[in-house]
Amino acid sequence: AQSVTQLGSHVSVSEGALVLLRCNYSSSVPPYLFWYVQYPNQGLQLLLKYTSAATLVKGINGFEAEFKKSETSFHLTKPSAHMSDAAEYFCAVTFTGGGNKLTFGTGTQLKVEL
Amino acid sequence: DGGITQSPKYLFRKEGQNVTLSCEQNLNHDAMYWYRQDPGQGLRLIYYSQIVNDFQKGDIAEGYSVSREKKESFPLTVTSAQKNPTAFYLCASSTKGLAGVRTGELFFGEGSRLTVL
Repeated sequence: AQSVTQLGSHVSVSEGALVLLRCNYSSSVPPYLFWYVQYPNQGLQLLLKYTSAATLVKGINGFEAEFKKSETSFHLTKPSAHMSDAAEYFCAVTFTGGGNKLTFGTGTQLKVEL
Repeated sequence: DGGITQSPKYLFRKEGQNVTLSCEQNLNHDAMYWYRQDPGQGLRLIYYSQIVNDFQKGDIAEGYSVSREKKESFPLTVTSAQKNPTAFYLCASSTKGLAGVRTGELFFGEGSRLTVL
């Protein structure tokens, strides 16, 4: 069965600092990996996705993630945090033929401080 | 504007009552999904439908029911059999990518928050 583990349920950074949100996956077949963002009392919005093309994936709002098969990781980064980045971030996994049945991680709440 | 509309946004229910959450999409997507979100647990799949008049159970279907009579509509009923229904419910939809392969990109509504009193 496939799964994702997000390390750290809460992450706090200063405005302008590097953002690093960790995601490790488990899948017996090549995975498709995703990062979604959720603002308070709203639905989720896709940030970026890895679907077996380039291992470094660039998304919206300056975020990017690198697929590392050897480490089974798909960490999300942004060079410089902005106050508007404060939200909850979810890593998710599926696989070819998985029918879009995404398995989500438990989420990481990002706080950005002045 | 295309999108997914969930209603109501907030709903209060007494124990023992069934409630139905509405989800409508005008994106012409063929697949629709219901997720339940609880603090610290991420999103868990309740039901999903790949095509009209067909749907499958997700990971936590007990106490819930759905129907898919129209492509654009996928209502969720939370029945009295659901032991702990207080949660945030999210509806999503998706289409197929190239060669009919699903790409994993889900489009979400803004959610419905159900509270049982």
